[in-house]
Amino acid sequence: KAGVTQTPRYLIKTRGQQVTLSCSPISGHRSVSWYQQTPGQGLQFLFEYFSETQRNKGNFPGRFSGRQFSNSRSEMNVSTLELGDSALYLCASSPATGVNNYGYTFGSGTRLTVV
Amino acid sequence: AQKVTQAQTEISVVEKEDVTLDCVYETRDTTYYLFWYKQPPSGELVFLIRRNSFDEQNEISGRYSWNFQKSTSSFNFTITASQVVDSAVYFCALSEGDSGYSTLTFGKGTMLLVSP
Repeated sequence: KAGVTQTPRYLIKTRGQQVTLSCSPISGHRSVSWYQQTPGQGLQFLFEYFSETQRNKGNFPGRFSGRQFSNSRSEMNVSTLELGDSALYLCASSPATGVNNYGYTFGSGTRLTVV
Repeated sequence: AQKVTQAQTEISVVEKEDVTLDCVYETRDTTYYLFWYKQPPSGELVFLIRRNSFDEQNEISGRYSWNFQKSTSSFNFTITASQVVDSAVYFCALSEGDSGYSTLTFGKGTMLLVSP
C-alpha cells in the first residue's frame, strides 16, 4: 500500500511570507502528526490531528498551525516566515492517536528553506 | 521532563565490523515506550523497533539487536556485521504514558558511516 506522501519535497520562501505543506497519510490511518527537524534543535513535535481535531500541540509559536480534512489529509501552515523556520518538516501517520498504541509511519518530509 | 541522550554524534566503521549505538533516557513515568528509527539520506524516518517499559527482554532481528536495561536507563542498539547500506542517522526516542496523547521525544541522533 502507498506510504505517507508529503508535498512539495522542497520549498524556498522569503522571510515574511507564509507557506502551506501537505501530508496524505496511509489509507485507513486517521491520525497525522507533524515534526520539525533542524540541525540545532533536532526533531521536535509540532502537533497531532485526529478526526479533523487537533489532539496535541508542541511548544511552537502561534505562527505554526495545521488542519485535517475529512479524508485524513493534513496541511500545516507557517505564517510570517523567519530564517529559523528553515527545516525538514516530517509528517507521520498512525491508525489511531498517540504514538504508543500503533507507532508512526513517517513520510520523506518537506525541506523548507527561508531566505 | 523526558529526555533522550545519544552521546555518540558520529561513528565510522569498516564493513563487517559490529557497532553499538548508545541511548540513555530520562523519565519519571513508570509506563513508557522506547523506539529506534533510521533516517537514510532520503529523509524519511524508518521504524526499527518499539519496546515498552515492562518488557526488558532483549531482541534480535537479523543483524540488529537491542539491549534494554531499566537499571541503567539505557536502550542500546547493535548492528552485527555492518554493511554500507546501514549508513544513516539513527535516532532513539521515548514516549511517556499509556495514552492517546503520547508523542515522541527524540535524541539528537547518531550518524553511522560504514565504509567498504
